[in-house]
Amino acid sequence: DVKVTQSSRYLVKRTGEKVFLECVQDMDHENMFWYRQDPGLGLRLIYFSYDVKMKEKGDIPEGYSVSREKKERFSLILESASTNQTSMYLCASSFLGSGSVGDTQYFGPGTRLTVL
Amino acid sequence: ELKVEQNPLFLSMQEGKNYTIYCNYSTTSDRLYWYRQDPGKSLESLFVLLSNGAVKQEGRLMASLDTKARLSTLHITAAVHDLSATYFCAVDMFLYGNKLVFGAGTILRVKS
Repeated sequence: DVKVTQSSRYLVKRTGEKVFLECVQDMDHENMFWYRQDPGLGLRLIYFSYDVKMKEKGDIPEGYSVSREKKERFSLILESASTNQTSMYLCASSFLGSGSVGDTQYFGPGTRLTVL
Repeated sequence: ELKVEQNPLFLSMQEGKNYTIYCNYSTTSDRLYWYRQDPGKSLESLFVLLSNGAVKQEGRLMASLDTKARLSTLHITAAVHDLSATYFCAVDMFLYGNKLVFGAGTILRVKS
């Protein structure tokens, strides 16, 4: 079974703190993604990466950065946390472009971040 | 910009009834995914639809894709309480490295 793990299930931080969210996958997937999930808005893509040291902005990258130094690990960084970044953060991974079978994204359990 | 719209956003139904959730999207794509999310849990893949006319079934759920109409449906047959969850559709912008655009989700509550 594919396993995507995230470093914390719940996190409480103060405004202005630097926050690191870690994601690790064990299926040798090329693609990794960070989303935030807010009620009524579905999932919105923050950043994604299709290879080590590669990153692409998603729909809402402002206030976030990412790091991918190893294939299995993708980190999301909030340089200076703000209250409007209080949300559920979901990491996902998938194979790169297999075409015939689709590229299902497999999700981690999520990190519920509260910024006070 | 690709937009994905689901309706209804909230669905309360009695056990034993049938209903359909609709997923419309705004630009060409022939790959669509359905996910389920239980409260407090992460997303679980339900169906992958890869071509026009694709139909997949699992238990009481059946998903279909009409790429010409840019529409996917998730049909629930004889609903049971265990189907209560939030259902998301997501459209694959294949040209951008498997980037998915998600609908807002449909909260399904099946009443006994």
